[in-house]
Amino acid sequence: QSALTQPPSASGSPGQSVTISCTGTSSDVGGYSYVSWYQQHPGKAPKVMIYEVSKRPSGVPDRFSGSKSGNTASLTVSGLQAEDEGDYYCSSYAGSNNLVFGGGTKLTVL
Amino acid sequence: EVQLVESGGGLVQPGGSLRLSCAASGFTFSNYWMSWVRQAPGKGLEWVARIKQDGSQKYYVDSVKGRFTISRDNAKNSLYLQMNSLRAEDTAVYYCAKGGYLWFDPWGQGTLVTVSS
Repeated sequence: QSALTQPPSASGSPGQSVTISCTGTSSDVGGYSYVSWYQQHPGKAPKVMIYEVSKRPSGVPDRFSGSKSGNTASLTVSGLQAEDEGDYYCSSYAGSNNLVFGGGTKLTVL
Repeated sequence: EVQLVESGGGLVQPGGSLRLSCAASGFTFSNYWMSWVRQAPGKGLEWVARIKQDGSQKYYVDSVKGRFTISRDNAKNSLYLQMNSLRAEDTAVYYCAKGGYLWFDPWGQGTLVTVSS
């Protein structure tokens, strides 16, 4: 499977909202409601922020939200804070017990 | 608290072998699919292998098939990755993660594998 497509970078000022896209195909993002998003700070392990397109694990601020339209999923971070800076990866179930990741987006809080 | 702690990484020559371990605690290990995910230096995430709760099903990314073997010991709450015929392109931080093919939560802190002569 090919990797999902994410923009390499995104940015916003504190308090603003930013949206990161994740584009796949009808065989992955478009075909299943199993898109997840991970946040990774430098030198740290990834942490799940969103699963099943729009569900937030316990402890994840409600400033993080997820959605999907067709073959594109999106992660929106509202009310940007300095600690939101980091790398974000999307992933999607791709059928036949397969999972594919996006290439990652570096989020900068200006 | 759910915790995953990897060990076993290090420097190995091309063609060599390493065995990674992951010690799990804070959850019923035998109830969950478990996976290994790797991240090459400065690169993105790549799923490597997953194993079913009872070890009866195992899946691998094409690039490691025939060289890597995932296994688990539910009595010891441990996950393993035996890596043989290592190549330079296998150099990465290897993460142990709870989950199979839908999402991973949590992840361990990772262990670095460097394949170099």
